[in-house]
Amino acid sequence: EAQVTQNPRYLITVTGKKLTVTCSQNMNHEYMSWYRQDPGLGLRQIYYSMNVEVTDKGDVPEGYKVSRKEKRNFPLILESPSPNQTSLYFCASSLLGRGGTEAFFGQGTRLTVV
Amino acid sequence: GIQVEQSPPDLILQEGANSTLRCNFSDSVNNLQWFHQNPWGQLINLFYIPSGTKQNGRLSATTVATERYSLLYISSSQTTDSGVYFCAVRPFMEYGNKLVFGAGTILRVKS
Repeated sequence: EAQVTQNPRYLITVTGKKLTVTCSQNMNHEYMSWYRQDPGLGLRQIYYSMNVEVTDKGDVPEGYKVSRKEKRNFPLILESPSPNQTSLYFCASSLLGRGGTEAFFGQGTRLTVV
Repeated sequence: GIQVEQSPPDLILQEGANSTLRCNFSDSVNNLQWFHQNPWGQLINLFYIPSGTKQNGRLSATTVATERYSLLYISSSQTTDSGVYFCAVRPFMEYGNKLVFGAGTILRVKS
């Protein structure tokens, strides 16, 4: 089954404790990205990757890191989480095409930083 | 940047009723998708519909790209249809595949 898999689904952590949210897709998509969803602010893009070893900032990159060492994986790293990073996070993937292609989203990761 | 407006913001339906959700966008797009966010927070792909009409069971969608709007029709609504419906677009001249989301329509279906 074609899918985007995120882990963990739920995470409660303390301020300053480094964490990684994993994302994996099995559709051989070039493009992967991370979004966060906050009440009143909607979904906003954090980082994206056009292919292996090619990553760039989205609209709200501060406090996050990413890496793309393999085509299927795109982990999101919070090196020193703060309470303002409490949010619902989504990973997404799609083919990279000039005409636009369908994006597929993971199940979401609900992160609470205390 | 592109603006995506969804209406209505809130909708309460009796089970079995029909509804139409609207998405207006301010610039040309080459991707438009409708999503349903269920009460557990998951984003479910409903339609990939940059233009034309598609149907999937009780749901259908129409996008008129030249007039910059899309409509999502829900017929014979069920309580499981409750949740938030998002429209998301990829602006035509945007680099990469970033989606810009509307604020969503909150749908509550009562039994």
